[in-house]
Amino acid sequence: AQSVTQPDIHITVSEGASLELRCNYSYGATPYLFWYVQSPGQGLQLLLKYFSGDTLVQGIKGFEAEFKRSQSSFNLRKPSVHWSDAAEYFCAVGPRMDSSYKLFFGSGTRLLVRP
Amino acid sequence: EADIYQTPRYLVIGTGKKITLECSQTMGHDKMYWYQQDPGMELHLIHYSYGVNSTEKGDLSSESTVSRIRTEHFPLTLESARPSHTSQYLCASSESYTIYFGEGSWLTVV
Repeated sequence: AQSVTQPDIHITVSEGASLELRCNYSYGATPYLFWYVQSPGQGLQLLLKYFSGDTLVQGIKGFEAEFKRSQSSFNLRKPSVHWSDAAEYFCAVGPRMDSSYKLFFGSGTRLLVRP
Repeated sequence: EADIYQTPRYLVIGTGKKITLECSQTMGHDKMYWYQQDPGMELHLIHYSYGVNSTEKGDLSSESTVSRIRTEHFPLTLESARPSHTSQYLCASSESYTIYFGEGSWLTVV
């Protein structure tokens, strides 16, 4: 069965520091991969997605993610965190052969930013 | 990006009441979804639709029901709300394997 693992429940970084959020998936074939961000009391906003091609993808708000097939990982990075980046981040996978386009989500990583 | 509108955003109701959470999208997407999210937890798919007159149950069992009479509208109904239904409900639609979410409806049943 497919699964998405975000091993870090909470991460705290200082403003201006770099950030890496981890995501590992278990699936029979490489799925479509996504990162979403959720601010308190809000819905989910799509940060970036990977379908194929270049394994380093750029997203909004200065985020990027790298797909590593050998490690079944899709880690999210940002070189310099801003206080407004404090939020919950969700990794998600979508099976390629599923015409419903359903997504399976990880349990999320809460990012706290120190001034 | 898709424009997806959910109403109400926040609702507190008594046990046994019937409620409908509204969801509309303006982009003409065929596929729409309802996810349920408890505070601080992951999202679980409870319903989805391929298009008009098509609805399917998701991976998480839910006592709610949905309908899809128009492409742009995908309401979710609870016939008799219970405290266990307290949660956030997120509506979404998709285009080309990318899912876009609304702002969510926070439901509290007292």
